[in-house]
Amino acid sequence: EAQVTQNPRYLITVTGKKLTVTCSQNMNHEYMSWYRQDPGLGLRQIYYSMNVEVTDKGDVPEGYKVSRKEKRNFPLILESPSPNQTSLYFCASSSQGTNQPQHFGDGTRLSIL
Amino acid sequence: KQEVTQIPAALSVPEGENLVLNCSFTDSAIYNLQWFRQDPGKGLTSLLLIQSSQREQTSGRLNASLDKSSGRSTLYIAASQPGDSATYLCAVRRNNRLAFGKGNQVVVIP
Repeated sequence: EAQVTQNPRYLITVTGKKLTVTCSQNMNHEYMSWYRQDPGLGLRQIYYSMNVEVTDKGDVPEGYKVSRKEKRNFPLILESPSPNQTSLYFCASSSQGTNQPQHFGDGTRLSIL
Repeated sequence: KQEVTQIPAALSVPEGENLVLNCSFTDSAIYNLQWFRQDPGKGLTSLLLIQSSQREQTSGRLNASLDKSSGRSTLYIAASQPGDSATYLCAVRRNNRLAFGKGNQVVVIP
């Protein structure tokens, strides 16, 4: 089954403790992206990647890192999480081309105390 | 910067009525526009994608139109059902960036 898989689905942690949210897709998609969703602010793009070793900032990249060493994986790294990064995070992927739809994972709910 | 607006934020309709959801965007230089459905606690499910050169797309009871020059898209859902209750999001893509509206929260009353 074609899917985008995020782990963990839920995480409660404390300020400053490094964490990684993994994202993996099995559709051989070149494009992958991370978003955060907050009440009243909607979905905002954090980082995206056009292909292996090619990443770029979205609208809200501060406090996050990403890497794209393999085509299928695009982890989101919070080196020193803070409470303002408490949010619902989504990973998405698509094939190249302007007519390709985005496929989303089920989301990761992060709470940083 | 692209701004995407969806009005109203929330609406309720009786079962069987047609739903009309609006999305407007400020920068008409887009690659495509995509409509999604989001259920509580769930991810986003793609409903329809309209390329910038297209005027509309249809899938079953769903029809989406695009007027790029005026920065508007409309999602029509015919003969609404309680199972259509969800939040509907539109997103516009330009280059490699996606900009989302905040969504229309829809309740279909049996």
